[in-house]
Amino acid sequence: DIVMTQSPDSLAVSLGERATINCKSSQSVLYSSNNKNSLAWYQQKPGQPPKLLIYWTSTRESGVPDRFSGSGSGTDFTLTISSLQAEDVAVYYCQQYYSIPSTFTPPTFGQGTKLEIK
Amino acid sequence: DVQLVDSGGGLVQPGGSLRLSCAASGFTFSSSAMNWVRQAPGKGLEWVSTISGSGGSTYYADSVKGRFTISRDNSKNTLYLQMSSLRAEDTAIYYCAKKTCSGGTCPHIFDCWGQGTLVTVSS
Repeated sequence: DIVMTQSPDSLAVSLGERATINCKSSQSVLYSSNNKNSLAWYQQKPGQPPKLLIYWTSTRESGVPDRFSGSGSGTDFTLTISSLQAEDVAVYYCQQYYSIPSTFTPPTFGQGTKLEIK
Repeated sequence: DVQLVDSGGGLVQPGGSLRLSCAASGFTFSSSAMNWVRQAPGKGLEWVSTISGSGGSTYYADSVKGRFTISRDNSKNTLYLQMSSLRAEDTAIYYCAKKTCSGGTCPHIFDCWGQGTLVTVSS
């Protein structure tokens, strides 16, 4: 299985400042059918299920504020929150969903990054 | 609105069985592959199983293969996870999650999650 490694494990950022979370995959997650990287980001607040923020590396899910952005290629990806708000305190997970068409590959998640207010 | 409601969790002894359910509404259930993802207390997310929209294809994590069975009833808009031979390491919150597509092998983008149901395996 593809191993996803996030850094840092925890992060404290001041309100209004930029937060950056990194994610590295153990192999390329480039999806051949559309030439996009199969990488998603989820936000999980305490006591809640995960919420999809970004997929295909940089596509924001409907309703997600534009202060959230994703980037990266190959095996290195980044989630950036441009101006941290109090409601962004959460654990963030990256997830790969790489597959070869018509072949099942299990999705895997990073270990999570806990984001707090400094 | 799209909604998934998980139920069926509880306390079970090692070696026991339990069936989880996930009631779906707000979307065409048969057009979405469905999944179970679990989260051990204080830990990260682990994919458990996937079923295609038709129910004809199923997939399992190695950690549960042979012990868990995923199924769906499209007439009732409900997803199930039958768990047997439960172990302490199966203790987790189990979430059902919807994919954005119907095939079992299509990209695993989980765009909606249930609230989760807690399974505790302990004597």
